[in-house]
Amino acid sequence: KAGVTQTPRYLIKTRGQQVTLSCSPISGHRSVSWYQQTPGQGLQFLFEYFSETQRNKGNFPGRFSGRQFSNSRSEMNVSTLELGDSALYLCASSLRPSGDGGELFFGEGSRLTVL
Amino acid sequence: QQQVKQSPQSLIVQKGGISIINCAYENTAFDYFPWYQQFPGKGPALLIAIRPDVSEKKEGRFTISFNKSAKQFSLHIMDSQPGDSATYFCAASMLGQNFVFGPGTRLSVLP
Repeated sequence: KAGVTQTPRYLIKTRGQQVTLSCSPISGHRSVSWYQQTPGQGLQFLFEYFSETQRNKGNFPGRFSGRQFSNSRSEMNVSTLELGDSALYLCASSLRPSGDGGELFFGEGSRLTVL
Repeated sequence: QQQVKQSPQSLIVQKGGISIINCAYENTAFDYFPWYQQFPGKGPALLIAIRPDVSEKKEGRFTISFNKSAKQFSLHIMDSQPGDSATYFCAASMLGQNFVFGPGTRLSVLP
């Protein structure tokens, strides 16, 4: 059974640009969550989608957005990139919605560097 | 209220020793407490999890101890091995809410 797939794995952008990251969940999983991981802040929750609906949103500015498609694949977008957006962006899928005791299965992440 | 505190930030243990990582939370509505293990270049993976109706759960060399009244839980790794060297995250969640993660503990097990 294939795991969570994130693309691209690495990318370099400059300030002011925008970026789109993609996540393909485990087959059958309808919940997709996104986290930002930085050395100083750990794992910070961005948002969660379940059956194409955003269920929860973390405390991030509106420059961070996401969506989920009917096949459960998800994308997140960051517009007007800032240096502080440099981080590892992790996607996690789950069979059940977050908080329902379901295990989160993480991808290997997309490492974004903003210059 | 939504924060999960974790200590220590880093931990060095000799092979065969016991590694102990502690976490504390404030929100008594949390009802699921997992621990995740992350190796460099990989995403976190579930290690072990507990619900507040039990005080301890053991899986192999890994044990979670849960103290509901103190709102604390800890991970014990017995007979620590160099292959256990990784970053460990505690987390907490409740129905309808996203997971809240601790800041992580970097464990190094010396051979």
